[in-house]
Amino acid sequence: GENVEQHPSTLSVQEGDSAVIKCTYSDSASNYFPWYKQELGKRPQLIIDIRSNVGEKKDQRIAVTLNKTAKHFSLHITETQPEDSAVYFCAASNGRDDKIIFGKGTRLHILP
Amino acid sequence: DSGVTQTPKHLITATGQRVTLRCSPRSGDLSVYWYQQSLDQGLQFLIQYYNGEERAKGNILERFSAQQFPDLHSELNLSSLELGDSALYFCASSVEAGGAGKLFFGSGTQLSVL
Repeated sequence: GENVEQHPSTLSVQEGDSAVIKCTYSDSASNYFPWYKQELGKRPQLIIDIRSNVGEKKDQRIAVTLNKTAKHFSLHITETQPEDSAVYFCAASNGRDDKIIFGKGTRLHILP
Repeated sequence: DSGVTQTPKHLITATGQRVTLRCSPRSGDLSVYWYQQSLDQGLQFLIQYYNGEERAKGNILERFSAQQFPDLHSELNLSSLELGDSALYFCASSVEAGGAGKLFFGSGTQLSVL
């Protein structure tokens, strides 16, 4: 079955700098890659997703890139702000077997 | 508010007991997913239902079972509870089948097994 590896597990960046979180997946049939943000004590919420027919997607300060050959995808956050502090989860799905498998999460700290 | 309702918010029980967690999906969503979140394991996929039918299973223990009812709400039953079952249990719903759509998470049920 699908396995999603995520790293780093913890990331600290200075406010205003960029943050990058990387994930790899095992199932070459995976074609949907969402990213969720979970603030402390709250539920996970989708922040951006990408499908396998595109290599990059941007939404304001966040972007996701996908390399299907290498089976990895990354989340990029630019001009980080204090409200970006949270746990970020990547996930993968092949769109057929009804499973959405998550990585173990990255705890992002934005330092003042 | 995601529109997904989970009850109860907190549950404290003893080892060996059985509990039921309830989830009502967003209006119109046919898919319900259950995830277990513990500190170092992220979001572990347990099981998924679509319109009353079990469609996918993940790392769900035999002591755990679930179902989705005709009104689309779902229940997760946990029996013979162990200390290690203490975790935050999320359900999520989606309008799409196949696992290719946005998940809307409930606020979770925090289970403490003492």
